[in-house]
Amino acid sequence: QKEVEQDPGPLSVPEGAIVSLNCTYSNSAFQYFMWYRQYSRKGPELLMYTYSSGNKEDGRFTAQVDKSSKYISLFIRDSQPSDSATYLCAMRTGNQFYFGTGTSLTVIP
Amino acid sequence: GAGVSQTPSNKVTEKGKYVELRCDPISGHTALYWYRQSLGQGPEFLIYFQGTGAADDSGLPNDRFFAVRPEGSVSTLKIQRTERGDSAVYLCASSLGGGVETQYFGPGTRLLVL
Repeated sequence: QKEVEQDPGPLSVPEGAIVSLNCTYSNSAFQYFMWYRQYSRKGPELLMYTYSSGNKEDGRFTAQVDKSSKYISLFIRDSQPSDSATYLCAMRTGNQFYFGTGTSLTVIP
Repeated sequence: GAGVSQTPSNKVTEKGKYVELRCDPISGHTALYWYRQSLGQGPEFLIYFQGTGAADDSGLPNDRFFAVRPEGSVSTLKIQRTERGDSAVYLCASSLGGGVETQYFGPGTRLLVL
């Protein structure tokens, strides 16, 4: 079993839709939870990170962590075509970062 | 300011050859990470430097892989006796300090071993 599980999609939504992306994990030692966006042939770009269970909001993005269920989510409101990318969840314990496989998202104008 | 840069952007080599991949982190960033990303997968941790020293190299798959950061800035990932399975995108990331979560990634080096 992988440390971090993420549905690879692909996910296709119309412009303006609310997008929900999710990851589950098995390692209770994970302390930090992150979401990255990766465009084709580019390196990942950090969107948000959280430390504790609960919600964190930044503009159109909301990150949610439920440590008791070992489940994290990223919500994108009012999705835009420019949001089309691969979204990677990542988790950290110590000096190591563990990434999900990424979910490919396409927002259709 | 300048971000993380990696050279070359693409590298094609033959099985058994030696390759070096270079990473220039953001100036002043003491932490540097190497990852490997295979097609359709997320980045896989290889090694972490804090300053000049490898603080954690537990992700290196075998002794054909080695990385250095002699002056605490530029880092080189070295792969000996390359195998076809080494084909992947090698990503480098840097951050201000090892305890900071904001890693800035470079664009990666696409390695193809024929």
